[in-house]
Amino acid sequence: DTAVSQTPKYLVTQMGNDKSIKCEQNLGHDTMYWYKQDSKKFLKIMFSYNNKELIINETVPNRFSPKSPDKAHLNLHINSLELGDSAVYFCASSQEGQLPYEQYFGPGTRLTVT
Amino acid sequence: RKEVEQDPGPFNVPEGATVAFNCTYSNSASQSFFWYRQDCRKEPKLLMSVYSSGNEDGRFTAQLNRASQYISLLIRDSKLSDSATYLCVVNWRQGGKLIFGQGTELSVKP
Repeated sequence: DTAVSQTPKYLVTQMGNDKSIKCEQNLGHDTMYWYKQDSKKFLKIMFSYNNKELIINETVPNRFSPKSPDKAHLNLHINSLELGDSAVYFCASSQEGQLPYEQYFGPGTRLTVT
Repeated sequence: RKEVEQDPGPFNVPEGATVAFNCTYSNSASQSFFWYRQDCRKEPKLLMSVYSSGNEDGRFTAQLNRASQYISLLIRDSKLSDSATYLCVVNWRQGGKLIFGQGTELSVKP
């Protein structure tokens, strides 16, 4: 009964390829996010969706395109992969309502671009 | 100035020690404050939310000083299992992005 799940857990691919990462949450939350954790372990937001609507889009190359088919799913598609895209990508979700607005994270997808 | 800054680590302490982590944030309009814990090669997990009145959960005590824009975490009677990276996290609004500090690594030794 995993709350936030991601697939795949590991992804090794070559430069120039296109790949997708999938995320699903069974918490009934309204909002989902993608974060990137780089080699220096720093976590930064990429995107967030609320009820299938994009609400946060940080300065991310347009090779990255999130898609939310429904409020329980948020996928991340990456075109023309580059070496610098190697990182761990975490999906998260939260429920709107009262403070404190905590977010719950999936196990992460470790992407290695060679 | 970074949006959320934490003590540089790592902290190496013996079992049973008390350890304190400090954190400052730059946006005075911040609404929510958290400590997350991240084990090696795992996802961040919520350790505790931090409230203005201060709050305690077992061996863990969190404090928030809005006037100074300062957050702290105190761990008493450290256990080996407390070894992890502790992340100070701030949220500006509902549905907003979490802003993470760079994390402080804690290593508890026998």
